[in-house]
Amino acid sequence: SDELTQPPSVSVSPGQTARITCSGDALPRHYTFWYQQKPGQAPVLVIYKDSGRPSGIPDRFSASSSGTTVTLTISDVQAEDEADYYCQSADRSGTFVVFGSGTKVTVL
Amino acid sequence: EVLLVQSEAEVKKSGESLKISCQVSGYSFVSSWIGWVRQMPGKGLEWMGVIYPGDSDTRYSPSFQGHVTISADTSIKTAYLHWSSLKASDTAMYYCGSPIAYTSSSSLDGFDMWGQGTMVTVFS
Repeated sequence: SDELTQPPSVSVSPGQTARITCSGDALPRHYTFWYQQKPGQAPVLVIYKDSGRPSGIPDRFSASSSGTTVTLTISDVQAEDEADYYCQSADRSGTFVVFGSGTKVTVL
Repeated sequence: EVLLVQSEAEVKKSGESLKISCQVSGYSFVSSWIGWVRQMPGKGLEWMGVIYPGDSDTRYSPSFQGHVTISADTSIKTAYLHWSSLKASDTAMYYCGSPIAYTSSSSLDGFDMWGQGTMVTVFS
């Protein structure tokens, strides 16, 4: 399957660590990207090409992978990190982009 | 400064045609992929497709192939998303985006620059 599966929600207290998983059979073959989206706003790229961090993105955001699962880690979570997060990769044949289903991160 | 500026919101009737735009500035339009993402109300992101304006190479998601057309006009640095016959199910926010600030060469690369979004509402 080309689907990317994410947990619907993750809750975390300020200062703690949030981990958001993204699972898919094709993940080992292609780069993964991660986005943050707040209500009413366009997505913001927080991780590119598996582990790169765009300029302006805090180093609290990092990513790792193991087999067919990639994980976005947000350390020392702040209230401003409350948002929807989406992973992005490609189908098995590398023809088109696939987005994950999205994870809502709630900061308690 | 890199900017992607999208056209205004549209309200259309089912069956009508529509073309929305995304005008860029501040980077080489012909040397970067630019594409479109749909977000239906309350739902997630869906990749529609991309175009490389330098040679008009266009790639589509199977979910959108045949339903929309992506094009670009290099003379005015503008990308377009076109429907020949809208449906109520096309009601959504549409974003354009492009990979600009990091080394990118693939149509599969993520977008680090985004437009502000164009809301399209289609009534029956």
